[in-house]
Amino acid sequence: KAGVTQTPRYLIKTRGQQVTLSCSPISGHRSVSWYQQTPGQGLQFLFEYFSETQRNKGNFPGRFSGRQFSNSRSEMNVSTLELGDSALYLCASSSETGAGGYFGPGTRLTVT
Amino acid sequence: AQSVTQLDSQVPVFEEAPVELRCNYSSSVSVYLFWYVQYPNQGLQLLLKYLSGSTLVKGINGFEAEFNKSQTSFHLRKPSVHISDTAEYFCAVTPIADSSYKLIFGSGTRLLVRP
Repeated sequence: KAGVTQTPRYLIKTRGQQVTLSCSPISGHRSVSWYQQTPGQGLQFLFEYFSETQRNKGNFPGRFSGRQFSNSRSEMNVSTLELGDSALYLCASSSETGAGGYFGPGTRLTVT
Repeated sequence: AQSVTQLDSQVPVFEEAPVELRCNYSSSVSVYLFWYVQYPNQGLQLLLKYLSGSTLVKGINGFEAEFNKSQTSFHLRKPSVHISDTAEYFCAVTPIADSSYKLIFGSGTRLLVRP
């Protein structure tokens, strides 16, 4: 089976712009979760989607949003980018509770 | 709410020596426990997990971990490390009750294996 793929791998944006990141889960996995990884805050949960419904949301401002499509692919969007949004954004797909997440390679976002 | 504490931010060790990476958690509900490894410029790879049953769990790459409920710990061990084990290691938990796939991570421990 192909692993979790994320596109793009690297992205440079300017403050105030918006960005959309994409995640394709492992075939058959219906859950996709997103995480932000920074040196200062570590790995923080953004949100989780299951069968096109947001099931969990972390403590992030409303500028961060996401969605999941019927084929389980997911996108996350960040509007009005700030310098502090520079991070590695990771997505993980899961097939069942307790399985843990299978992570993609991440998207490195740099905001200048 | 849940929290995970990894007391050591960095652990230097010589090649072929044993290593233990410590993880303690706090939770008002039962949790599943995980260890992940992250190599530079890569995502996270699942090393092992504890769901139930035997408290000693074996994972990939020769790693194992022991769940201690009374001490709320889930320490990761390897009897003999290799240079290639140099990476960042993350302990994580998921609450069982809400059927969520959400992972709560510790701050990570950087394992530095020296020749």
